[in-house]
Amino acid sequence: GDSVTQMEGPVTLSEEAFLTINCTYTATGYPSLFWYVQYPGEGLQLLLKATKADDKGSNKGFEATYRKETTSFHLEKGSVQVSDSAVYFCALVLGGSQGNLIFGKGTKLSVKP
Amino acid sequence: EAQVTQNPRYLITVTGKKLTVTCSQNMNHEYMSWYRQDPGLGLRQIYYSMNVEVTDKGDVPEGYKVSRKEKRNFPLILESPSPNQTSLYFCASSRLVAGVPYEQYFGPGTRLTVT
Repeated sequence: GDSVTQMEGPVTLSEEAFLTINCTYTATGYPSLFWYVQYPGEGLQLLLKATKADDKGSNKGFEATYRKETTSFHLEKGSVQVSDSAVYFCALVLGGSQGNLIFGKGTKLSVKP
Repeated sequence: EAQVTQNPRYLITVTGKKLTVTCSQNMNHEYMSWYRQDPGLGLRQIYYSMNVEVTDKGDVPEGYKVSRKEKRNFPLILESPSPNQTSLYFCASSRLVAGVPYEQYFGPGTRLTVT
């Protein structure tokens, strides 16, 4: 079935370090891909999205490129801040009649000053 | 302010006592959904709705009911709660673009404990 696999955390980085969180997917169709972020004690917020192959989503210094050939959507940021500490979820949705969002298990990021 | 609201935010109840968690959105979104979040399992979809009177099962629907009589509301009903339904629950809503729920907006969550 359709699924999303994320690298397991937690990931601990120093401030200004480079961040990569790997995400790969399995899907029967052509999904749209998303990264959501959950700050402590809050609900999820959409961070960025890409709807077709080679699209690059970007927001708040984060980027991810939809790679159809490797079925991947890795999240990157060049210089993380303490305020980026959160749990990051990769997700996909398929069009048509299904409509449900499939999440990875989440990766917890801790950034130390 | 565009938002999804859930009530209650925290609930402790006993096995078998029926409960309802309300969800409301003010963005005129067609799509609404319920998820549960459990440690090590991430978020799993319980039920979703593509429009009024249209609901469908997600990945973990057992033990839950939903209804969508109005566009803005999507209550989650536990007819006979059990301890394995202890979890953090999120409601979400989204507009539909070519049938796809882009940019889901999430509520703040409801932490449910069933003893």
